[in-house]
This record gives sequence, C-alpha cells and structure tokens, in this order.
Amino acid sequence: DTGVSQDPRHKITKRGQNVTFRCDPISEHNRLYWYRQTLGQGPEFLTYFQNEAQLEKSRLLSDRFSAERPKGSFSTLEIQRTEQGDSAMYLCASSSRRGGGETQYFGPGTRLLVL
Amino acid sequence: QQQVKQSPQSLIVQKGGISIINCAYENTAFDYFPWYQQFPGKGPALLIAIRPDVSEKKEGRFTISFNKSAKQFSLHIMDSQPGDSATYFCAASPHAGNNRKLIWGLGTSLAVNP
Repeated sequence: DTGVSQDPRHKITKRGQNVTFRCDPISEHNRLYWYRQTLGQGPEFLTYFQNEAQLEKSRLLSDRFSAERPKGSFSTLEIQRTEQGDSAMYLCASSSRRGGGETQYFGPGTRLLVL
Repeated sequence: QQQVKQSPQSLIVQKGGISIINCAYENTAFDYFPWYQQFPGKGPALLIAIRPDVSEKKEGRFTISFNKSAKQFSLHIMDSQPGDSATYFCAASPHAGNNRKLIWGLGTSLAVNP
C-alpha cells in the first residue's frame, strides 16, 4: 500500500453515462498525476496538478474529460458521455516537492468498463 | 511514436536465473529513468530508478545499467523468484519544470518457473 487511494476500484457503466473517479494522494504530496492504462499497454499520461492548479493536459484528454483538485488535496476525474473506448484502468499518482519530485507513488487504479 | 521502446515483450526464466529487460529512448531531455513492477489488477509499484549521471545502480536483487551514449538502460533481476512474476515497465521523465510526467514502455511480462 503506497498511501494513494482511489475510489471506486471498479466501475461498470453504459455508454453515454457520466462517471466520476476520486483519488486521495499521500497527504504531504503537492503533485498529482492521472494516467490511463489499457490492457497490455503501459500507462499514458493524462493530466498533472501542482497543488490545485492543473498545469498540463494531454491531447488524450478530450473535452469529455475533466479533472479537478479543488483544495490541492484529493482529485476527481470525470468522464462525460462515456464511450466504449474509454474502457481502461485509470491510475492516479502523487509525488512530493522534495528532491527532484520525480518519484511517483501510484494508487491501485479504477477499472472502468463501458458497455 | 513510441518514445520509450522496451523489449522483450515477454520473458520466461527459471528460478534462480537472471532476468534482463531492455529499454531505449530518443529524447535527450529525459533525465530520470524508473522501473515499475505491476501485478494483475494492481497499480504500478516503483522498483528502482536511475539518473543519467550514474552508469549503474543496485538495490538488492535489482540492478539498473545505464548507457547514456547509446540511450539505453536495462533492468537485471538476479536470482529470479516465482514471486517476481509480474509485468515490468520502464519509464522516462523529461526535465521540464516541476511536471515530471512519466513516458512508459509497453511492458514486459515476466514468468519465473519454479
């Protein structure tokens, strides 16, 4: 257990529905990342927060996706009008400002299945 | 375009043997190279990481070898055990301010036979 938690762990939804995932990072970590991992692939970067500011969004993050980190603590990732291609594992990671801040600790992920 | 190329895709090793996984990169802005281990249904867990000013780093049974001129790095798992059976990912992070996003390889599925 890295100390990063994600909820829910699994989500099954029908195409067209909205879903929201939550990530609670390690408490003193000011940097938070979201990644998406499809079966048999490596994770792909989605977005980065430093404190409450969203500083980078990948081209993978279409306008149906939105992420927030309202008080610089937990973060939410919402997918609107889900599509079957959104089925994946959504991973959250956090890191500290200490040192170079490179070490990222991952949560267990939220596995999304869109029917 | 895969910025971090990882091989082999899968690997079978006998218990006690050495597992070797290789990665190559092109972007010279990368300055941090971690290896992660992932079990089915779990998030990736950091194994070991290296910076390009060091050619080798060892932690227990895990060693990273880094060749800056060739832009290659590899993971060696000594005395491989059945419990090491997992998927291993190499990754790289560019030096670009505070955003240390990771660029990942496609993974290597390791099976260690008892």
